[in-house]
Amino acid sequence: QVQLQESGPGLVKPSETLSLTCTVSGGSISSYYWSWIRQPPGKGLEWIGYVYSSGNTNYNPSLKSRVTISVDTSKNQFSLKLSSVTAADTAVYYCAREGSISGWMDVWGQGATVTVSS
Amino acid sequence: DIVMTQSPDSLAVSLGERASINCKSSQSVSYSSNNKNYLAWYQQKPGQPPKLLIYWASTRESGVPDRFSGSGSGTDFTLTISSLQAEDVAVYYCQQYYSTPGHTFGQGTKLEIK
Repeated sequence: QVQLQESGPGLVKPSETLSLTCTVSGGSISSYYWSWIRQPPGKGLEWIGYVYSSGNTNYNPSLKSRVTISVDTSKNQFSLKLSSVTAADTAVYYCAREGSISGWMDVWGQGATVTVSS
Repeated sequence: DIVMTQSPDSLAVSLGERASINCKSSQSVSYSSNNKNYLAWYQQKPGQPPKLLIYWASTRESGVPDRFSGSGSGTDFTLTISSLQAEDVAVYYCQQYYSTPGHTFGQGTKLEIK
């Protein structure tokens, strides 16, 4: 059974870069799409972007200028970098599997809380 | 971008009664070439990640109770819980995966027990 686990700093200073990694266990990262989604406190879900196991990416246009998602198949991990963060980027960040075609997200991590504050 | 709008924002239903949540997209999320609707539904309980319930608008994910069903096509979709159980209290989200770039979620509907 595939499981996902987010890891990374829980506190990031304004203007710096948020970095998170998602480790995939119980299955291969190959031949799937892998997404990042975030949820600000008390609010709804926002899709950030995805990476395919080949390295192809697709980003939310509203975040595209600040986002980089990459994959490391040798480590069965994929990563999120969000630059120039502000308090508005404070959220729970989830990694998720989209499946062999891009679409719905069928496996989710438990989420990582990231606070942007000086 | 495709905007997803759910209604109502919150809903209170008695145990054993039917609950219906609507989701409307700002443009069609259906492809006529394959007759598929690119819409999913999720359930999120407090402190937990979302859980996939439905994809292709009406296909139930494995392990999801059959009291959950999805319907609709084009721009209008509905998630129905046929007989509400206490464990169904949650926030429900629809999500379109029709457009590239970008998947978008509805704002969420909070379901409570009356």
